[in-house]
Amino acid sequence: GENVEQHPSTLSVQEGDSAVIKCTYSDSASNYFPWYKQELGKRPQLIIDIRSNVGEKKDQRIAVTLNKTAKHFSLHITETQPEDSAVYFCASGGTGNQFYFGTGTSLTVIP
Amino acid sequence: EAQVTQNPRYLITVTGKKLTVTCSQNMNHEYMSWYRQDPGLGLRQIYYSMNVEVTDKGDVPEGYKVSRKEKRNFPLILESPSPNQTSLYFCASSSREAVETQYFGPGTRLLVL
Repeated sequence: GENVEQHPSTLSVQEGDSAVIKCTYSDSASNYFPWYKQELGKRPQLIIDIRSNVGEKKDQRIAVTLNKTAKHFSLHITETQPEDSAVYFCASGGTGNQFYFGTGTSLTVIP
Repeated sequence: EAQVTQNPRYLITVTGKKLTVTCSQNMNHEYMSWYRQDPGLGLRQIYYSMNVEVTDKGDVPEGYKVSRKEKRNFPLILESPSPNQTSLYFCASSSREAVETQYFGPGTRLLVL
């Protein structure tokens, strides 16, 4: 089956700096690459996603890049704010509704 | 309001006592899933369903059952719970057109003694 690896497991940045989280996957048939944000005690919520036919997608301060050849994708958060502090999960999905998640990155934005 | 609901939200039980966690969505989504979340392991898919009466095993199906008799409901059944099934469980749903946009329920925290 698919194997999704996520790094780093913890990340601390100063407010206003950028944060980058990286994921690799193993199954070349994977087509969907969503990113979820989970605040403490809350449910995961989709923040951005990218499909395999796109190399980059941006939504305000958040961007995701995908390199299908190298089988890795990354989340970029610019101008970080304290409310960006949360756990972020990457995931990959292929045919149908089967998804594999990374182990999460705990992001702390220091005011 | 579009939502995914789960019940109960918290449950303490004993080894071997059958339990069911319900999940319901009001968005007419075709796809539904169950995940468990454990510290350091992220979210792992237990079972998923792509339509009524269609269910498939995810990454960690052992010890769990599901059913999809109606489009809106996707209950998770633990026939004989064991302590290693102590976890935080999430139900999720998505449409066929936007399968990657999963809406998660609020979670069910289960403790098996």
